[in-house]
Amino acid sequence: DAGITQSPRYKITETGRQVTLMCHQTWSHSYMFWYRQDLGHGLRLIYYSAAADITDKGEVPDGYVVSRSKTENFPLTLESATRSQTSVYFCASIPLLAGGFNEQFFGPGTRLTVL
Amino acid sequence: GQQVMQIPQYQHVQEGEDFTTYCNSSTTLSNIQWYKQRPGGHPVFLIQLVKSGEVKKQKRLTFQFGEAKKNSSLHITATQTTDVGTYFCAGNPYNTDKLIFGTGTRLQVFP
Repeated sequence: DAGITQSPRYKITETGRQVTLMCHQTWSHSYMFWYRQDLGHGLRLIYYSAAADITDKGEVPDGYVVSRSKTENFPLTLESATRSQTSVYFCASIPLLAGGFNEQFFGPGTRLTVL
Repeated sequence: GQQVMQIPQYQHVQEGEDFTTYCNSSTTLSNIQWYKQRPGGHPVFLIQLVKSGEVKKQKRLTFQFGEAKKNSSLHITATQTTDVGTYFCAGNPYNTDKLIFGTGTRLQVFP
């Protein structure tokens, strides 16, 4: 029971390069989310997806692209990485059950450094 | 935009002392969730409150949702070193499926 996994766990890249962070969940949860975590800002929502082929912007979407062709995968791409995108990125998923929302399950995170 | 603030940002306590973190939203929430993140780890769900004025307890932890559904609190009685971490509140504003996270309170417990 792998749950929700992220890869890579650590990544160092250079300004201007394209980087893709992977997220995979084994539960067939409807919703998936991408957050970035920076000191003093808590968790900020980048993009989320309610189902396959449905995505929507969060609080800080600029510079990021997502896709969701399959329910279990939700990759996040930085098209041209900038230093301000150095952060820890968390993927999360949630089952949409009758009666509303329930807990989000988080992946272990990807620590990205942009030089 | 919608904001959820938490105070204090940091709290250092002696083991055995009580601890409280407060969460305030700029908009009415349909629910409030609390998460704990250990240093170097990922956020882990603790509890969800949905009713106005609701109070829930988990052993030494007491969670409260305000009457106006715009604020919440987490109180830990007699802290232990295992309580160390950052506590986040998070809520769904009405008519949205986004979960807005608070800024977090980092708790340090000294033995």
